[in-house]
Amino acid sequence: GAGVSQSPSNKVTEKGKDVELRCDPISGHTALYWYRQSLGQGLEFLIYFQGNSAPDKSGLPSDRFSAERTGGSVSTLTIQRTQQEDSAVYLCASSSRWGSTSQETQYFGPGTRLLVL
Amino acid sequence: QQQVKQSPQSLIVQKGGISIINCAYENTAFDYFPWYQQFPGKGPALLIAIRPDVSEKKEGRFTISFNKSAKQFSLHIMDSQPGDSATYFCAATISGSARQLTFGSGTQLTVLP
Repeated sequence: GAGVSQSPSNKVTEKGKDVELRCDPISGHTALYWYRQSLGQGLEFLIYFQGNSAPDKSGLPSDRFSAERTGGSVSTLTIQRTQQEDSAVYLCASSSRWGSTSQETQYFGPGTRLLVL
Repeated sequence: QQQVKQSPQSLIVQKGGISIINCAYENTAFDYFPWYQQFPGKGPALLIAIRPDVSEKKEGRFTISFNKSAKQFSLHIMDSQPGDSATYFCAATISGSARQLTFGSGTQLTVLP
C-alpha cells in the first residue's frame, strides 16, 4: 500500500500480558515515529528512529516500553506487563529522508487501539 | 519548554460560519507549524503548515495566521461545512532535523448543518 499501515487495528489484552504492535512505514521513508493518543488527549511522542542512527527513546514512559526497527523499515513497539493506564491508541508515522524538503511532513497510520482489561 | 497549548477544547459552528482554533508555543526554536485533521478511527492527516517567515498561509478554505512575537498561531476555517467536523491538532517542530512533533491537545470541531 501507499500509506503507513499498522497491525493489529485493535488489541484487547489482560493486565500483565505483553503486547507487540507493528508498523509498516511508507516505502523509502527513513524516519519513523511512535506516538500514543489517550482518550480525548493530544498525541504524546514515544520514540523516533532515523535511518541507522540510535533511536530517540526520550518519550518512552517506562522501561516496560521498547521498540525496534528491523532493516530500516518495519517497526515493532512492545509493551511488557501491560497496565490499564497503557490503554490508548498507538500511532505510527513516517517521514521522508533526511535533508529532503518534505521531511517535516509526517504521515500517520490508522493506529492500534489497545485496551488493557 | 516543549509545550504547545491549544484552545478551545471543543467548538460548535453553524454551517457557513468561521471556525477559529488557537495555539501558543514556548520553544523559540520551533520553526515549522503544521495542523493535522483527524476523523474518528483514522490517523491524523496533514492539513496545512506554516513557517515563521510568513504571517499567513492560505489553502482553499483553510488559513493559518502566525504571530512570531506572540508565539501564537491559529487555524481559520472559512465557510465551515459539516464534513469539516473532526478533531484538529496544532503541532510544532524544528525543521531540518525530522524531529518529533509536539502536539497541542486537540480541538473537536462540530459543524452543524
